[in-house]
Amino acid sequence: QKEVEQNSGPLSVPEGAIASLNCTYSDRGSQSFFWYRQYSGKSPELIMFIYSNGDKEDGRFTAQLNKASQYVSLLIRDSQPSDSATYLCAVNRGSNTGKLIFGQGTTLQVKP
Amino acid sequence: GAGVSQSPSNKVTEKGKDVELRCDPISGHTALYWYRQRLGQGLEFLIYFQGNSAPDKSGLPSDRFSAERTGESVSTLTIQRTQQEDSAVYLCASSLGPGTYEQYFGPGTRLTVT
Repeated sequence: QKEVEQNSGPLSVPEGAIASLNCTYSDRGSQSFFWYRQYSGKSPELIMFIYSNGDKEDGRFTAQLNKASQYVSLLIRDSQPSDSATYLCAVNRGSNTGKLIFGQGTTLQVKP
Repeated sequence: GAGVSQSPSNKVTEKGKDVELRCDPISGHTALYWYRQRLGQGLEFLIYFQGNSAPDKSGLPSDRFSAERTGESVSTLTIQRTQQEDSAVYLCASSLGPGTYEQYFGPGTRLTVT
């Protein structure tokens, strides 16, 4: 079992729809969770981070964390073609290490 | 302000040669990380520096890989006797502190070993 798992996709949604990206992790001691967006040929760009159970909203993005289910998700409202990219979920196990464990990423396609 | 910078942006080398990759973190960031991303894959952790503490080298794939950092500034990642499987994008990131702080990535160095 991979430590951080994501469906590779592609996830295809029409413009204006809500895109829902999911990630599960295996280490119950994980403390912080990050979503990065990566355009083809570019480096990852941080878009959201979440530490506590529940929802965290930033503009069109909402991160959701459920530690009991070891599940973190990213919702993108009013999806735009410019949101088409690979979304990487990353998990940090705790304050003693800076190491991020990344999932393989989910490719999102937003169709006009 | 300036982000993380890396050089060179592209490097093509022959199998068996040594290469050095450089990373300049965001000013004031005490933590620095190196990751590797093979084509179509996620990121693999390589090494982590935090201030003057001993680095976490747990992700280095072999003893051909080494990295140094002087204080809280520039870091270099050295790969000796390069192999074709070393071909990847090498990404550097920095953060304000250790642990749960957000990491910001540089543009990466694309290494091709022929």
